[in-house]
This record gives sequence, C-alpha cells and structure tokens, in this order.
Amino acid sequence: AQTVTQSQPEMSVQEAETVTLSCTYDTSESNYYLFWYKQPPSRQMILVIRQEAYKQQNATENRFSVNFQKAAKSFSLKISDSQLGDTAMYFCAFMKLQTAGSYQLTFGKGTKLSVIP
Amino acid sequence: NAGVTQTPKFQVLKTGQSMTLQCAQDMNHNSMYWYRQDPGMGLRLIYYSASEGTTDKGEVPNGYNVSRLNKREFSLRLESAAPSQTSVYFCASSSIAGTSTDTQYFGPGTRLTVL
Repeated sequence: AQTVTQSQPEMSVQEAETVTLSCTYDTSESNYYLFWYKQPPSRQMILVIRQEAYKQQNATENRFSVNFQKAAKSFSLKISDSQLGDTAMYFCAFMKLQTAGSYQLTFGKGTKLSVIP
Repeated sequence: NAGVTQTPKFQVLKTGQSMTLQCAQDMNHNSMYWYRQDPGMGLRLIYYSASEGTTDKGEVPNGYNVSRLNKREFSLRLESAAPSQTSVYFCASSSIAGTSTDTQYFGPGTRLTVL
C-alpha cells in the first residue's frame, strides 16, 4: 500500500510572504498522480493542484506551484503572496492508475496553515 | 451547477440506530466515493462506485453499506451505528475512477455523532 507523509502538522506565514508545505510518499509504481487539496474552516475539500508523474514540468496554478522530485518521492507545495484566505488544512494525496475494483486514493494527515495579518 | 451535494449536514444518533447519508452530483460523473475524516487523520475511503451499477470496498468498509441508486446518486447506510463511527463523512465524484481524468470533487460533508 502507498503511504503519504506530511511532516509539518502546523505552519504559519505572514501575509504576502511565501511558504512551502512538504509531502513525501512511498510507492513502487512508476505511473501515478499527486494532488494537493485545501480544506478551509468550512470543511469543504477543494482541489488546489494536480501533478502527473510522467510530466517533468512542475504544475502551477496562479499563486500555487509544486516542486515534484520523482526520484526523491517528494511533492511540496509552494504558496506565493500568501493571503488570509489561504488559511486552511492542506492535504497531499497520491493516486495510481488502477483497474476497476482496486481503487486507492491515499491522503496524508494534513498540514494546518495559518496566514497571519 | 451545485456540484456535489450531501444531506444532512449534521446528525446525532444513538448507538444501534440506523441512518442513510445521501449524496448527489450534477457533473455527469461516472464515479462516486464515500470517505470519512477523523481528527488528526486524512480522508479514508469507505466505499466507491466506479460506474453506475458497481460498488467496491475501500480501506474502511466495515459497518457500512452503499447503494448507487443511479448515475447521480450514491448513498451510504449505517445499519447499526456505533460510537466509533462518529466522524465527518464526505462524498466525492470524478469522471472515471483511477484514470487520467480522475480529479475528485467533494461535497460539503456531514458531521455525524453517535452517542
């Protein structure tokens, strides 16, 4: 089974600064997908960014970007120009391409990010 | 579009009672999922339905049953609730499970307390 580790239970950042959240995973697969989800106090799970393992280029979505190191099995999230609305739990997740009947999407335990005014 | 909707938002049960959590999506997705989220934990998959007419167990299926009523709706049933089932339950949907189009969209969650 795959495991996803987020080693930072809590982090804080000043508004307008940059912060990086860490995620490592363990797998023997070569073809898979990685995700970062955001969960604000409203509890809604919101997709932040997605990365295909076969792509060498790091994914970006506006102020959010990832540093994907396949050999190191590392998938960190960088948030630039942090805003108060970025305050949330952030979950890293791993999915491998599978046949029907054996689906698995594995989440880390999350990092609680607080943006300080 | 409403996306993924769940009812109810909150529920309190007594041990041994039964209830059904409802989920519906309007994105014409083929696959739907039920997760639970416990304090200090990420989401864990209970059951999923890769397509209409199929259901499969996830990581933590014991104590639950599911029904894929049609393409839009996927319900989760607790036949005899236990305190260990106190959790926040999320429904999600995606285009096709386990494929390159599998990005999941989540409902707002149901907070369930079993006394």
